[in-house]
Amino acid sequence: SQQGEEDPQALSIQEGENATMNCSYKTSINNLQWYRQNSGRGLVHLILIRSNEREKHSGRLRVTLDTSKKSSSLLITASRAADTASYFCATDNAGNMLTFGGGTRLMVKP
Amino acid sequence: EAGVAQSPRYKIIEKRQSVAFWCNPISGHATLYWYQQILGQGPKLLIQFQNNGVVDDSQLPKDRFSAERLKGVDSTLKIQPAKLEDSAVYLCASSFDLAGGREQYFGPGTRLTVT
Repeated sequence: SQQGEEDPQALSIQEGENATMNCSYKTSINNLQWYRQNSGRGLVHLILIRSNEREKHSGRLRVTLDTSKKSSSLLITASRAADTASYFCATDNAGNMLTFGGGTRLMVKP
Repeated sequence: EAGVAQSPRYKIIEKRQSVAFWCNPISGHATLYWYQQILGQGPKLLIQFQNNGVVDDSQLPKDRFSAERLKGVDSTLKIQPAKLEDSAVYLCASSFDLAGGREQYFGPGTRLTVT
């Protein structure tokens, strides 16, 4: 079963705009991670936020976590065409076993 | 540093045939994972190894799927016999260990088509 559900399922924006993706989950977690997957490729780890953290930054990425609402958001600022990919949230509630959501397909138009 | 290697990259088989996938994790990584990713969905964990022992295989369809990591390094995932619904990308990942929050490094995957 998939714990995380991303919203929206698909997002299309212009280069330079910001992209926001949301993730909701059902059970308590140790941490939540975001991964990117380019078409036909493996997944690449982007950022991890622990359950006792509320916000984290990495370059153009900003992640927030609200454990009371069981939700997280990923913000990509000043998007580029190279950001076109699918983005997945994954929850870890024990032993580094990840449960992935269905993903958000992001298209950034040049 | 070499990444996670998987082979083959693509495989087409008929239903009821058998197939095997191979994974070589990053050197020194004790924990290895196999995921199944059906088109349009997120990856689903099938099995997790710590060295040569199974940590979790609760989502592995054991009537047809098997996996091993005999020497605690390479791993193989086998399907026998394959069904149409097994068509998916099979991803292998590794991490340094299974401590919470360890980054998982993914291979490019094997795309299986069952006809």
